[in-house]
Amino acid sequence: EAGVAQSPRYKIIEKRQSVAFWCNPISGHATLYWYQQILGQGPKLLIQFQNNGVVDDSQLPKDRFSAERLKGVDSTLKIQPAKLEDSAVYLCASSLDLSWLGLAGHRGAYEQYFGPGTRLTVT
Amino acid sequence: TQLLEQSPQFLSIQEGENLTVYCNSSSVFSSLQWYRQEPGEGPVLLVTVVTGGEVKKLKRLTFQFGDARKDSSLHITAAQTGDTGLYLCAGELSAGAGSYQLTFGKGTKLSVIP
Repeated sequence: EAGVAQSPRYKIIEKRQSVAFWCNPISGHATLYWYQQILGQGPKLLIQFQNNGVVDDSQLPKDRFSAERLKGVDSTLKIQPAKLEDSAVYLCASSLDLSWLGLAGHRGAYEQYFGPGTRLTVT
Repeated sequence: TQLLEQSPQFLSIQEGENLTVYCNSSSVFSSLQWYRQEPGEGPVLLVTVVTGGEVKKLKRLTFQFGDARKDSSLHITAAQTGDTGLYLCAGELSAGAGSYQLTFGKGTKLSVIP
């Protein structure tokens, strides 16, 4: 089974420039997540999609970050304009969604599978 | 404020030694997951613990979920150099409408020296 694919793997841009990251989740996974992982920290959720709808984007800096998942499969995350503090690894993850089976109360029903990440350096 | 506190932050041990890392919170979680992350890669799920007091073993790794489902520990017996990596715990919280979110700790960076 193919894993979560992300591109590019590395990106270096100057502040105030724009950048976009792409993610292709595992086939059949309805839920897609974007995380930001700053050096020395754990991943922080930016946005969560269920198919092509947004479930949670409360921690997404919407003045500069945007994300879309138009056909409920691939997703893109964009930063415009970038700031120095955006330097981080951007991780995409996907999971099955078993809630429609009535298993919403089943704890641990949705294990996340992560891609390798895109390392962004803003200079 | 960090919802999940992991300790220690850094750990360097000799091959063959035992170690325990901890993950603590004041929140109650639906479940708790442990991940291992190597440089340049995304986190890889090791185990999910669901029931308070649950103990799961994965070869030389033993995971325990606290009775109150607020904390967890990971014990490694006879560490090997291949165990080197960043160990992350993540607590699962309901986000409503049948969806769940993971909140990650900062991780414990383990180095096993030959």
